[in-house]
Amino acid sequence: DAKTTQPTSMDCAEGRAANLPCNHSTISGNEYVYWYRQIHSQGPQYIIHGLKNNETNEMASLIITEDRKSSTLILPHATLRDTAVYYCIVSARGANNLFFGTGTRLTVIP
Amino acid sequence: NAGVTQTPKFQVLKTGQSMTLQCAQDMNHNSMYWYRQDPGMGLRLIYYSASEGTTDKGEVPNGYNVSRLNKREFSLRLESAAPSQTSVYFCASTDGGSYNSPLHFGNGTRLTVT
Repeated sequence: DAKTTQPTSMDCAEGRAANLPCNHSTISGNEYVYWYRQIHSQGPQYIIHGLKNNETNEMASLIITEDRKSSTLILPHATLRDTAVYYCIVSARGANNLFFGTGTRLTVIP
Repeated sequence: NAGVTQTPKFQVLKTGQSMTLQCAQDMNHNSMYWYRQDPGMGLRLIYYSASEGTTDKGEVPNGYNVSRLNKREFSLRLESAAPSQTSVYFCASTDGGSYNSPLHFGNGTRLTVT
């Protein structure tokens, strides 16, 4: 599975959009991009995933560049409850054996 | 609908003791997983069960055994605990290996081995 690179940490003002980048320059054509988040002391929570088209659900939007070498997770109106570690994962094997790196620690500031 | 339930939430063991971590899901999922998470690190897969009756090793299986008791339950056993197994253990499930099957996680078991 392709490796991903994410910033270690980011801050975002409450109410503003949080844009979390992820680089996956070695992604293969059949690999999906998944995003999960982990709020302190809890189990990770699925957010969204996509292959090449942009995706949106009730939690977030996923923007994947045309060459698929990077993506951005967008939380449109960040709240304090969005403070968490966000994991970007690339895999061709669905839910079987997703590799969770160290992610981006997002802090939403009042 | 409880989702994925893990017991116990906390446990302290002495080196050499054994214990079983329990996991149950009520979503009728086929696949179940055990991960460990050490401070400052991401999750690492210990074992998984793609379907009832099957189990496979993940990235860090040494020192652990698993049992897929039925479709709902997947247990993780430490036969002789070591301080290196101090960690937070997460169980997860999904309804299959397809791309539209996100993982659902429990809230973890925090294990300390002294």
